[in-house]
Order: sequence, then structure tokens, then C-alpha cells
Amino acid sequence: DSGVTQTPKHLITATGQRVTLRCSPRSGDLSVYWYQQSLDQGLQFLIQYYNGEERAKGNILERFSAQQFPDLHSELNLSSLELGDSALYFCASSVGSSRNTIYFGEGSWLTVV
Amino acid sequence: AQSVTQLDSQVPVFEEAPVELRCNYSSSVSVYLFWYVQYPNQGLQLLLKYLSGSTLVKGINGFEAEFNKSQTSFHLRKPSVHISDTAEYFCAVSERNNNNDMRFGAGTRLTVKP
Repeated sequence: DSGVTQTPKHLITATGQRVTLRCSPRSGDLSVYWYQQSLDQGLQFLIQYYNGEERAKGNILERFSAQQFPDLHSELNLSSLELGDSALYFCASSVGSSRNTIYFGEGSWLTVV
Repeated sequence: AQSVTQLDSQVPVFEEAPVELRCNYSSSVSVYLFWYVQYPNQGLQLLLKYLSGSTLVKGINGFEAEFNKSQTSFHLRKPSVHISDTAEYFCAVSERNNNNDMRFGAGTRLTVKP
């Protein structure tokens, strides 16, 4: 158990819909990262937040957005969903803003039908 | 920007045999290197990392990796594998001057057979 909690574990939704994935980082960790893992794209970095502020941006689509709240939990919002958005979405956390040691959650499986 | 290539998508081995999972990286600056393991239906777990110092890095579960700067490689090794080592293994690289950008390889599926 890494200490990073993600909900929901599984989610099935229709194209065009919007979903929210939630992440609670390890106690004391200030950084939260979101990754997308799919068969064709592999593991892709989406976005990082550090202590409530956006710190780094990766291959995140404009239809996706994220935020980190004052209690440090984070949400990833996915809208206008397409079949290709079906993937495993990971949240990870670290103490500082660098990625020397990051801890991953177990992921949220999103299936778009 | 940096990139990482895992040369084998699948590696089948028999139990108690040695294994090497290959990883090569590309970067114009100094890097940090990582190996993560993903067991079925689980998140990624850090196996080991190279930040500086000794080029031979020992990790959890008996794994080790050697940083070879001249060959830009960071191969993962274990002298004797167990059935429980069956998993997906990911090599990752980040640049020292931009540690926020960590790139992952495509992964190597290690299957240990009895």
C-alpha cells in the first residue's frame, strides 16, 4: 500500500460524458501527479500540482483539467469523453516538487463506451 | 527532451534463472534513472533509482541495475527470479535540470514460468 488513494477504482461511462477522478496523496506529500496509461500510448504524464499550484504540464488534452485543493487532494476532470480516453489513470504523490521519489496509487480504470 | 527505450516488450524466463531487462535512454544533459514495477491490478512501485554516486544500484526484491553513461543504459538484473516477479517493469528517466519531466519507457512484461 503506497498510501495514495484513488477513487473510483472502475468507471464505465458513455461518449460525450464528463467524469471526475479523485486522489488523496500520502500524508505529508505536497505534490500530486496525474498519469494516463493506455495500450497504445503507454504511460503518459498529464499534469502536476504542488501545494495547490500547477507545477508542470504534460500531454494533457484541453478537454481534461485538474486541480489540487487546500487539503491537498486532487481531482482530474475529463469531459466530452471519447472512446480513446479509455485508460488507466494514475495519481502519484511526492513530498517535494521533484520526482526523485514518487508513490503511485492503484489507478482508476475508465472505460468509455 | 529525454527519452527512454525498453528494448524488449516481453521477457519469458524460467523460475530461478537470471534475468536482464534492458533500458537505454537519450538525453543531452545529466539524468536521473528509475525502474518501477507494476503487478497486475496495482499501481507502479519504485524498485530502485540512480541519482548519483555508485553506478551499481541495489533495489527491493533482489533487483539491481547498473548505470552505464558511455552506453546510455540502465539495465535491470536479478540473479534468480521467482514466480512472484511476474509483472510489468518500467524504466524512467528525468533530466537533472528539469526533474518535473519524467519519461517512461513502454514497459517490459516479465513472465516467470515454473
